[in-house]
Amino acid sequence: DTEVTQTPKHLVMGMTNKKSLKCEQHMGHRAMYWYKQKAKKPPELMFVYSYEKLSINESVPSRFSPECPNSSLLNLHLHALQPEDSALYLCASSLPPGEQYFGPGTRLTVT
Amino acid sequence: GIQVEQSPPDLILQEGANSTLRCNFSDSVNNLQWFHQNPWGQLINLFYIPSGTKQNGRLSATTVATERYSLLYISSSQTTDSGVYFCAVVDPGGFKTIFGAGTRLFVKA
Repeated sequence: DTEVTQTPKHLVMGMTNKKSLKCEQHMGHRAMYWYKQKAKKPPELMFVYSYEKLSINESVPSRFSPECPNSSLLNLHLHALQPEDSALYLCASSLPPGEQYFGPGTRLTVT
Repeated sequence: GIQVEQSPPDLILQEGANSTLRCNFSDSVNNLQWFHQNPWGQLINLFYIPSGTKQNGRLSATTVATERYSLLYISSSQTTDSGVYFCAVVDPGGFKTIFGAGTRLFVKA
């Protein structure tokens, strides 16, 4: 099974809200990734966790807060977002190293 | 950092035609993957190909790591092949993943 699941599929939130995105995999992968994708652009790496430790933070604003509670689960906590943060948020996992598998994404709209 | 360039940016094909998509990268890489993004945003794995040649049905890919490029061949294209094709590389450090800008393919019936 090469499935990565993400919830919710769609999310609309106000600028003062707090919400979380969830990502789960059961492939035994030990690296997990968050990407942000704006319309007609490629995905951009935000964070990487390796063995539940944060390995990469691509200078992401602190209103995005990642969390990796265990090797199967990755969360992205959102607080005080701006309208320009509206995007498709993609989660991926890999062994490491190796082939990355992506979830279907969460389409986020900030109003 | 590593630069990834894909060409062409846009491609329109008649159903049944063949095409070649190219990915150039500026430095040594650990991994290279080709993805197809469907209209709903799902990234579908096509090939994991740091080097060499692989084939899967009508698709094949070749990576020449020493010359820093990869090619994706689509033969006998179908309307369902439409979408955006991305090349992504991982830097030698291990995890930093850089996507090319993509090739937007439209296959006409």
